[in-house]
Amino acid sequence: EIVLTQSPGTLSLSPGERATLSCRASQSVSSSYLAWYQQKPGQAPRLLIYGASSRATGIPDRFSGSGSGTDFTLTISRLEPEDFAVYYCQQYGSSPGLTFGGGTKVEIK
Amino acid sequence: QVQLQESGPGLVKPSQTLSLTCTVSGGSISSGGYYWSWIRQHPGKGLEWIGYIYYSGSTYYNPSLKSRVTISVDTSKNQFSLKLSSVTAADTAVYYCARNKGGYLDYWGQGTLVTVSS
Repeated sequence: EIVLTQSPGTLSLSPGERATLSCRASQSVSSSYLAWYQQKPGQAPRLLIYGASSRATGIPDRFSGSGSGTDFTLTISRLEPEDFAVYYCQQYGSSPGLTFGGGTKVEIK
Repeated sequence: QVQLQESGPGLVKPSQTLSLTCTVSGGSISSGGYYWSWIRQHPGKGLEWIGYIYYSGSTYYNPSLKSRVTISVDTSKNQFSLKLSSVTAADTAVYYCARNKGGYLDYWGQGTLVTVSS
């Protein structure tokens, strides 16, 4: 089973700042099968990025994804007030199944 | 616009079977091309994939839950369902259904809290 480790656990930033979130896999992950989600309190997760770098429908271009192999990054270029949330990476593995990272909380500094 | 809605009891007794249904609207499960997933989130914790099903009935389960999980599909009602047997307090969670498109989850239900308690 592939384990995804997200860091940092919490990121304290101010609106307008740049956020860089990391997702590290225990084994190489196909870029086609790496996704990022945003979750706000009391809501279901929302797909942001799929295929490591493709934005989902309606996602602003301040969100970008990059990386390959075992290291992936979600970048929010300039934080808006609505971006403060928890972010999860997720991979789809060769052995059937999905696994999620533990999440990074982006909080207002 | 595809929409998913979970339904089922919010309270289940220990050792009993948790049963939830996800109703899909705005698209047909039997059109193919997607898997239909269940995911759960323990209170204040991260996300855990439970399993998914194809419209044909093919299923894939999380190995850690496989012995207790059954996912089924009813294409005539455009629904898929989750059964989790022998529940304990550790199964208390928000349960989500979602559409799995090529390995990622593009549409989610709003989630339903299931509490296991006597």
